Amino acid sequence: EVQLLESGGGLVQPGGSLRLSCAASGFTLSNYAMSWVRQAPGKGLEWVSTISGSGGTTSYADSVKGRFTISRDSSKNTLYLRMNSLRGEDTAVYYCAKGGISRFDLWGQGTLVTVSS
Amino acid sequence: EIVLTQSPGTLSLSPGERATLSCRASQSVSSNYLAWYQQRPGQAPRLLIYGASGRATGIPDRFSGSGSGTDFTLTISRLEPEDFAVYYCQQYGSSPTFGQGTKLEIK
Repeated sequence: EVQLLESGGGLVQPGGSLRLSCAASGFTLSNYAMSWVRQAPGKGLEWVSTISGSGGTTSYADSVKGRFTISRDSSKNTLYLRMNSLRGEDTAVYYCAKGGISRFDLWGQGTLVTVSS
Repeated sequence: EIVLTQSPGTLSLSPGERATLSCRASQSVSSNYLAWYQQRPGQAPRLLIYGASGRATGIPDRFSGSGSGTDFTLTISRLEPEDFAVYYCQQYGSSPTFGQGTKLEIK
């Protein structure tokens, strides 16, 4: 079965760091652009970051540029999002999604990140 | 950045009725790179429509998309109980952006 499974969310203090993981199954993650999209509680969807299929190109929303880093491990078929200098406004459910400069045709179930003291 | 504005914010209809959701872009969406997603409570979004009018795999034919340039529409021909959800449009011609969503609720 083709699916994405996120993990790594939790409660973190402002200024702290967290690494999210997204394990892919049923397809080879490195053959596709992959992205992170987040959704603050009760709010809409916001694109966060994309890594190209080759891994050579990454892009970020202005709101996270310089603080978040997207990467992947092909041997583990896993996508990551390293989040540093976290702020209250980063509180959201984080989804990984298959796609980048294209539609997002497969989504994980999401992992909740709460930034609070 | 392309800003997408969806209307109405909330749409109240009954099962069996026709729903028409609008998405307007602040500038032309290149190559009609416009998608629609459905999000049910507590669930991840699901791709419905891509390329403005292409139906994603497994999506019933009561869902259809149309439009070009800056004006796009999602139509649900006959509402089923499971269709009551929030719908988002998204453009992916440049840095992806989403509309703010339309909540389709039971009247």
